[in-house]
Amino acid sequence: EAQVTQNPRYLITVTGKKLTVTCSQNMNHEYMSWYRQDPGLGLRQIYYSMNVEVTDKGDVPEGYKVSRKEKRNFPLILESPSPNQTSLYFCASMSPLMDRGETQYFGPGTRLLVL
Amino acid sequence: SQQGEEDPQALSIQEGENATMNCSYKTSINNLQWYRQNSGRGLVHLILIRSNEREKHSGRLRVTLDTSKKSSSLLITASRAADTASYFCATISKGSNYKLTFGKGTLLTVNP
Repeated sequence: EAQVTQNPRYLITVTGKKLTVTCSQNMNHEYMSWYRQDPGLGLRQIYYSMNVEVTDKGDVPEGYKVSRKEKRNFPLILESPSPNQTSLYFCASMSPLMDRGETQYFGPGTRLLVL
Repeated sequence: SQQGEEDPQALSIQEGENATMNCSYKTSINNLQWYRQNSGRGLVHLILIRSNEREKHSGRLRVTLDTSKKSSSLLITASRAADTASYFCATISKGSNYKLTFGKGTLLTVNP
């Protein structure tokens, strides 16, 4: 089944404790992206990757890092989480080269609470 | 920055009625997409309309796009209780490297 998976789905942590949220897709998509969703603000892009070893900042990259060493994986790293990073995070992927290019496929979301 | 703005913010209707949601955006776009989100879950792509298209249908969904007014509408006909969800419009702007810019969404409640 074609899908985007994220782990963990729920996470409670404390300020300053490094964490990684994994994202994996099995559709051989070139493009992957991270969004955060906050009440009243909608979804905002954090980082994106056009392909392996190619990443770039979105609208709200501060406090986050990403890497793209393999095509299928795009982890989101919070080196020193702070309470303002409490949010619902979504990973997405797509392939501009495919027939339905520009349709993004979303993971189930990771709900993060930073105390 | 948020590009799309949905209207209304919330809509409550009875099963069988039609639901119309509107979206406005600010910059020139390559395409506009509508997504559905069930209560805190992942987003599901519904339909994509390109900037050179004016109307598109998919099942009970009808989307229109007016690039002169920078607006789009999503019509769901013969609504069902299972259509209860938040609906988001999202745009890909010209030269934006496929970044989706989302509106804040319309919460649709379909009462049985």
